[in-house]
Amino acid sequence: KNQVEQSPQSLIILEGKNCTLQCNYTVSPFSNLRWYKQDTGRGPVSLTIMTFSENTKSNGRYTATLDADTKQSSLHITASQLSDSASYICVVSVAGTASKLTFGTGTRLQVTL
Amino acid sequence: NAGVTQTPKFRVLKTGQSMTLLCAQDMNHEYMYWYRQDPGMGLRLIHYSVGEGTTAKGEVPDGYNVSRLKKQNFLLGLESAAPSQTSVYFCASSYWGSRLGEQYFGPGTRLTVT
Repeated sequence: KNQVEQSPQSLIILEGKNCTLQCNYTVSPFSNLRWYKQDTGRGPVSLTIMTFSENTKSNGRYTATLDADTKQSSLHITASQLSDSASYICVVSVAGTASKLTFGTGTRLQVTL
Repeated sequence: NAGVTQTPKFRVLKTGQSMTLLCAQDMNHEYMYWYRQDPGMGLRLIHYSVGEGTTAKGEVPDGYNVSRLKKQNFLLGLESAAPSQTSVYFCASSYWGSRLGEQYFGPGTRLTVT
């Protein structure tokens, strides 16, 4: 069964600090891995998309890594800001159909003063 | 561009009532999707459409129907609402072949069935 597991479930950090969120997946056959940011009461917004051949991709202060051999990904947030408070969702696409996505349950990040 | 819009934003239904959720996109996307998001669970695909006039079942289609009469609109219907359909519903769209089928999500509709 295709699954995406994220850790931790929730995280509280001080503004300005860095943090790393983890994602493990068992989706097969693998096509690509995406990280989404979902603010409270809003729809998910794409941060990065990585294919099998990419092992790192950045979007501003967000850097995603992918290890296709161990089926693990991480999202690193640098110099966190209050606006980074949100849920971060790891999503894996099944090869052969970009429409079939398996969603993780997300990591809820709270950035405090 | 407004992107993906959804109406209504909130709705409360009694068990057995029916309603239709409307999704509209102005990006000329071929693919459209309906998801539900429940606490402690990842988003789950209800139905999707690969083009005007076509629809297909997703992971959790029971109790829902959809229609795609126009390319820009995708409607989700609940014929007889049940408390188990209390959820937040998200519509998304994507342009096949662009950015690996990146999906753009609407703001969501929060539905409560009592």
